[in-house]
Amino acid sequence: EAGVAQSPRYKIIEKRQSVAFWCNPISGHATLYWYQQILGQGPKLLIQFQNNGVVDDSQLPKDRFSAERLKGVDSTLKIQPAKLEDSAVYLCASSLSLNEQFFGPGTRLTVL
Amino acid sequence: SQQGEEDPQALSIQEGENATMNCSYKTSINNLQWYRQNSGRGLVHLILIRSNEREKHSGRLRVTLDTSKKSSSLLITASRAADTASYFCATDGTGGFKTIFGAGTRLFVKA
Repeated sequence: EAGVAQSPRYKIIEKRQSVAFWCNPISGHATLYWYQQILGQGPKLLIQFQNNGVVDDSQLPKDRFSAERLKGVDSTLKIQPAKLEDSAVYLCASSLSLNEQFFGPGTRLTVL
Repeated sequence: SQQGEEDPQALSIQEGENATMNCSYKTSINNLQWYRQNSGRGLVHLILIRSNEREKHSGRLRVTLDTSKKSSSLLITASRAADTASYFCATDGTGGFKTIFGAGTRLFVKA
């Protein structure tokens, strides 16, 4: 079974630039999550989708972050404009139900 | 804010010893999960324990849950160098679906 795919794996941008991350969940997984993990900390949930709909986005900085999940499959997370404090690893995960989550390898973002 | 708080923050043991990590949380939960993260395999689910369960085993892993104290522990028996990783607890609260991770325990197993 193929795992959660994410791209790119690494991204370096300057502050105030825009960046987008892509995630392809495990086939059949209705729930998709985006997390932000700052070095030395645990993952922080940014947004959770159930099929196409948003279940929780309470910790998503909506003035600069946006996410969508087209047709209940792939998802993109965008940051516009980026700030220095956005430097982190962005993890995508999917699950069949609200239980075990399967994580992708993550995208390491560096904002200069 | 992070719901789960792991203790200790870091742990260094010899191969073959047991490692115990603790997690405390603040609000009522549906279930609690433990994950492992290392550079080689990323973040991997280890075990899930539901709020009506008190103990669960999986191979060399033993998890306990005390909902009255809002705490859980993860025991790794006969540790191996390959167990070197960060371990996180994650909770799914009864008030919603949001999964909240703790800050993690960094385990180092010396060969």
